[in-house]
Amino acid sequence: QVQLQESGPGLVKPSETLSLTCTVSGGSITSYYWSWIRQPAGKGLEWIGRIYTSGNTNYNPSLKSRVTMSVDTSKNQFSLKLSSVTAADTAVYYCAREKDLSFDYWGQGTLVTVSS
Amino acid sequence: QSALTQPASVSGSPGQSITISCTGTSSDVGGYNYVSWYQQHPGKAPKLMIYEVSNRPSGVSNRFSGSKSGNTASLTISGLQAEDEADYYCTSYTTSSTLFLFGGGTKLTVL
Repeated sequence: QVQLQESGPGLVKPSETLSLTCTVSGGSITSYYWSWIRQPAGKGLEWIGRIYTSGNTNYNPSLKSRVTMSVDTSKNQFSLKLSSVTAADTAVYYCAREKDLSFDYWGQGTLVTVSS
Repeated sequence: QSALTQPASVSGSPGQSITISCTGTSSDVGGYNYVSWYQQHPGKAPKLMIYEVSNRPSGVSNRFSGSKSGNTASLTISGLQAEDEADYYCTSYTTSSTLFLFGGGTKLTVL
């Protein structure tokens, strides 16, 4: 059974960079796209972007200038960096596996608060 | 690009059937059979319920079914149970550089 686990700071100061890592267990990270999705409190889901195990990426145009994703296949991990954060970036961040252009496995989510 | 349009809320009594709609455009819902549906209970991660418009992952109850007509996809839940009370989100692949659009979510209340 594939499991995903997000990790990273729960509090980030405005203008700084949010950094999260997703660790995949119970299966290989290779040959899949892996996405980051976020959800502000009480609101809907927003796709941030995805990375293939080759390192190929696609980002949501609304966030593209601030997003960087990377993958470490040796550790079965992939990561998200979001720069110049503001309060509007406060949300629960999920990592997810993409299969057949849907998201079949999700992490439990991690709350990131942007505040000084 | 705008999110897909879902009703904010739907409700039904145990045993009844309900349908949640998800309306997009010919660039997303109407153009591809890559619509998926997710169930989210409070404080939990979303769970995939339907993929590629009408396919159920292993382990998902056959009370859940999906369909599409034109630019509108639908999720139908039959034989409503208390445990079905949750938020439901649709998503679709899109030709825009956004790649994936989500609906705004629908809160299902089981009366």
